[in-house]
Amino acid sequence: DAKTTQPTSMDCAEGRAANLPCNHSTISGNEYVYWYRQIHSQGPQYIIHGLKNNETNEMASLIITEDRKSSTLILPHATLRDTAVYYCIVRGPINYGGSQGNLIFGKGTKLSVKP
Amino acid sequence: DAGVIQSPRHEVTEMGQEVTLRCKPISGHDYLFWYRQTMMRGLELLIYFNNNVPIDDSGMPEDRFSAKMPNASFSTLKIQPSEPRDSAVYFCASSFSSLAGRTGELFFGEGSRLTVL
Repeated sequence: DAKTTQPTSMDCAEGRAANLPCNHSTISGNEYVYWYRQIHSQGPQYIIHGLKNNETNEMASLIITEDRKSSTLILPHATLRDTAVYYCIVRGPINYGGSQGNLIFGKGTKLSVKP
Repeated sequence: DAGVIQSPRHEVTEMGQEVTLRCKPISGHDYLFWYRQTMMRGLELLIYFNNNVPIDDSGMPEDRFSAKMPNASFSTLKIQPSEPRDSAVYFCASSFSSLAGRTGELFFGEGSRLTVL
């Protein structure tokens, strides 16, 4: 089972920031938080990941709470092309030994960016 | 780079027929994953390989499913015999494990949409 809880859907106005929350209250100390998104009819796309510090890249920012039990993905200026399902995933170290390194996808949040 | 290449993009077949899905990972990547996506079950990991060796196949639904990776640039997922409940989009993904800066980023292909009548 996925170790995360996300809202089923969210709306965002074009040009505004989209803030997507994720709860992962049972996260272990060595588990990372990953975000992927899936645009309709395409394969999932990596966005960003983090362990405990906030992270930013060209696509988004990831804010992780100090207790690491929740995080927020921020798309600073959402466009219509950002309409997608966003998956928050917790995952162990990338040793791929057994299942701890596997990406287990939950239901995600369907983000709809509206004009 | 061309990315992960999957074929066919669409396959329609009749129950009982053999289905073979193909994947070419990104050159230099040493991990390859097969996922299945349905409306009911979402994205499920079926099997993954490291350096062409199957590491975890616990997600393979039953013996009708088999996957091979004969070399670093090619993998197949075979269903024999196929059943209507196998209808889904099958994704292949690859990644690279470097000694430093492991991002764990998976690169997914566009998927193969399978319909079994």
